[in-house]
Amino acid sequence: AQSVAQPEDQVNVAEGNPLTVKCTYSVSGNPYLFWYVQYPNRGLQFLLKYITGDNLVKGSYGFEAEFNKSQTSFHLKKPSALVSDSALYFCAVRDILGGSYIPTFGRGTSLIVHP
Amino acid sequence: DTAVSQTPKYLVTQMGNDKSIKCEQNLGHDTMYWYKQDSKKFLKIMFSYNNKELIINETVPNRFSPKSPDKAHLNLHINSLELGDSAVYFCASSPHRGEETQYFGPGTRLLVL
Repeated sequence: AQSVAQPEDQVNVAEGNPLTVKCTYSVSGNPYLFWYVQYPNRGLQFLLKYITGDNLVKGSYGFEAEFNKSQTSFHLKKPSALVSDSALYFCAVRDILGGSYIPTFGRGTSLIVHP
Repeated sequence: DTAVSQTPKYLVTQMGNDKSIKCEQNLGHDTMYWYKQDSKKFLKIMFSYNNKELIINETVPNRFSPKSPDKAHLNLHINSLELGDSAVYFCASSPHRGEETQYFGPGTRLLVL
């Protein structure tokens, strides 16, 4: 089975500083990787995905993620954090279930951006 | 326009009761899902329907019964509610079963007392 791990339950960063939210993956075959964000009392929103091609993937709200095959990682990054980026971030990997492609999610990382 | 909507947003009920949660998507998608998010924010898939056909049923107790009257709607009925059913339930949709990017509803917060 495909899986992702998010080693940090919480990440704290000051507004204006760069942020990184970590994710590592374990897959058989080529990985299809995703990041979703969940703002308080809201559903998950798709941020970006990696399928193939450039290792640096750009997504919504100024976020990007770097795919690193040798380190089996797909870390989410942003050059300058905003207080409004505070949310729960989920890494996910494509899995197959019932003949359908579905995301298998990590346990989430809470990002707190301090003013 | 709300893409994926759920009702109700909050649901507080007693153990043993039966309740339903409704989900509707106006994206024209073929595939819909129900997820359960526990108190530790872990997200687990429960069911998926593709064009009204059940395609995923992930070892969910049979007290949970999904129903899809058409491809734009996927409802979840829960019989004999238990304390452990307290969670946030998310509906989601995707264009088709081969597309893994999903669009989530706002969630239904269920509290069983």
